[in-house]
Amino acid sequence: KQEVTQIPAALSVPEGENLVLNCSFTDSAIYNLQWFRQDPGKGLTSLLLIQSSQREQTSGRLNASLDKSSGRSTLYIAASQPGDSATYLCAVHRVGGGADGLTFGKGTHLIIQP
Amino acid sequence: DGGITQSPKYLFRKEGQNVTLSCEQNLNHDAMYWYRQDPGQGLRLIYYSQIVNDFQKGDIAEGYSVSREKKESFPLTVTSAQKNPTAFYLCASSMQGRTYEQYFGPGTRLTVT
Repeated sequence: KQEVTQIPAALSVPEGENLVLNCSFTDSAIYNLQWFRQDPGKGLTSLLLIQSSQREQTSGRLNASLDKSSGRSTLYIAASQPGDSATYLCAVHRVGGGADGLTFGKGTHLIIQP
Repeated sequence: DGGITQSPKYLFRKEGQNVTLSCEQNLNHDAMYWYRQDPGQGLRLIYYSQIVNDFQKGDIAEGYSVSREKKESFPLTVTSAQKNPTAFYLCASSMQGRTYEQYFGPGTRLTVT
């Protein structure tokens, strides 16, 4: 059964710092990995999608990497801003194993201090 | 504007009543999904549909039912058989195929007392 773990569960840093969020998954058989952002009480906003054949994707100040063989992904946020404060979720689209959908981690709650 | 709408935003029901949550998308996506989110837990897949008139159970389908009569719509019914229905429910859609990005709606918060 695919399991997704995100470390740390919570992170608080001063504005301007670069930071890394970690995601690991137990089964390397995945179609893709997606990073999301969730603001309190809101839906999910897709940040980056990495296909299983890709190593990284970039969007603005965000860079996500994928090492499928080791079951790891990182989300790098450059020059953090208070508006980046949110919960960041990692999810993998698993291959086989029953239902066809995303398996999510529990998220990293990020606070950027002004 | 293209997107996914869910209504209502908040829903309150008495225990023992069935309730239906709405999900509509105008992205022309074939695939639609329902997830449930509980505090301190990751999202979990309830049901999904890859095409009209077809749907499959997810990891936690017990106590839920769905229909997919139109491409744009994928309503979820929470039945009285669902033991812990209070949760935040999120609908998503994507193009057909497992390599495509999933887009999420704003969610419905259901409280059952």
